[in-house]
Amino acid sequence: AQTVTQSQPEMSVQEAETVTLSCTYDTSESDYYLFWYKQPPSRQMILVIRQEAYKQQNATENRFSVNFQKAAKSFSLKISDSQLGDAAMYFCAYVDLKETSGSRLTFGEGTQLTVNP
Amino acid sequence: DSGVTQTPKHLITATGQRVTLRCSPRSGDLSVYWYQQSLDQGLQFLIQYYNGEERAKGNILERFSAQQFPDLHSELNLSSLELGDSALYFCASSVGPEGADTQYFGPGTRLTVL
Repeated sequence: AQTVTQSQPEMSVQEAETVTLSCTYDTSESDYYLFWYKQPPSRQMILVIRQEAYKQQNATENRFSVNFQKAAKSFSLKISDSQLGDAAMYFCAYVDLKETSGSRLTFGEGTQLTVNP
Repeated sequence: DSGVTQTPKHLITATGQRVTLRCSPRSGDLSVYWYQQSLDQGLQFLIQYYNGEERAKGNILERFSAQQFPDLHSELNLSSLELGDSALYFCASSVGPEGADTQYFGPGTRLTVL
């Protein structure tokens, strides 16, 4: 079974600084996608960024970028120029593309990010 | 706003009772997913439907059941409720059934079992 591990339960960053959240995963599959979701205090789950495993180029979305290391099964999220609105719980998630698996997302435990003014 | 709607937002009930949670997917999405978020179990996949048919099942208890209707809305039925069923229940939807189709989450229903 696939597993996703986020080893940092809590992180903090100063406003305007850069922070990196870590995620590792375990799978025997070769075709999969990885995601970072953000859950602010409202509890809404918001997609931040996604990475296709077949792509070597790291995904970027404005101030958010990932460092995808397929061989190491590592998928970290970098937030640049941190803003107060970035404060949230961040979840790393995995889905494999194997037909028999359906499309279930497997989530990590989450990292609570605090942004200090 | 993801376009996925869930009702009710909050639900408080007693042990042994039965409740129904409702989800309407984004316009054009055919696939619906249910997830449970609890303090001790984290975020867990429960079940997926695609165009009215069950596609994948996760850690869903036998006391729980779900269905997707012809208009594509979905309902999650929870029966013989226990204290441990207290959680935030999310519905998500995607355009198709595949893992490549991004899932968009609704605002969740917070269930409290007293």
